[in-house]
Amino acid sequence: SQQGEEDPQALSIQEGENATMNCSYKTSINNLQWYRQNSGRGLVHLILIRSNEREKHSGRLRVTLDTSKKSSSLLITASRAADTASYFCATEGHNTDKLIFGTGTRLQVFP
Amino acid sequence: DAGVIQSPRHEVTEMGQEVTLRCKPISGHDYLFWYRQTMMRGLELLIYFNNNVPIDDSGMPEDRFSAKMPNASFSTLKIQPSEPRDSAVYFCASSFNPGQYEQYFGPGTRLTVT
Repeated sequence: SQQGEEDPQALSIQEGENATMNCSYKTSINNLQWYRQNSGRGLVHLILIRSNEREKHSGRLRVTLDTSKKSSSLLITASRAADTASYFCATEGHNTDKLIFGTGTRLQVFP
Repeated sequence: DAGVIQSPRHEVTEMGQEVTLRCKPISGHDYLFWYRQTMMRGLELLIYFNNNVPIDDSGMPEDRFSAKMPNASFSTLKIQPSEPRDSAVYFCASSFNPGQYEQYFGPGTRLTVT
């Protein structure tokens, strides 16, 4: 069963624009992670945010976490064509080593 | 390190045949995960190991699926007998400590059962 729902399911933007993807989850978590998957490839880890953190940055990526709303957002600034991929959030609950993945957002960045 | 290695990359087999997927995790990682990805169900965790011991196999869909990890550098996922609905991409991932660090995914095995 999937813990997270991502919104939107698909997003198309022009190079240089910002892309925002949202993730909602259902149960209390230990941490939340974002992954990227290029077509035909495995997932690549982008960023991990712990339940006691509210915001984290990594290069052009900014992740926020609101545990009261059980939601997270991933912002990609100044997008590039190479950012075209599917993006997944994944949550780790308490007392477990399992990651439960969301449904993913397909991002298309046009040059 | 070469990353997580999976073989074969593609497998096409007929219904009823046995299929064995292989994974070599990153050296030093204590955790190994097997996932299945389909359009309909997304990315599902099938089973994971810690120090070669299966910890949670609640995601294994049926008795036709089995997984082993005989040592720290090798794991197999076996489907016997295979069915068309098993067609999917199967990923292996490894991690040093999932609570603190990310999982590293292999390139996947695309399985087609006809």
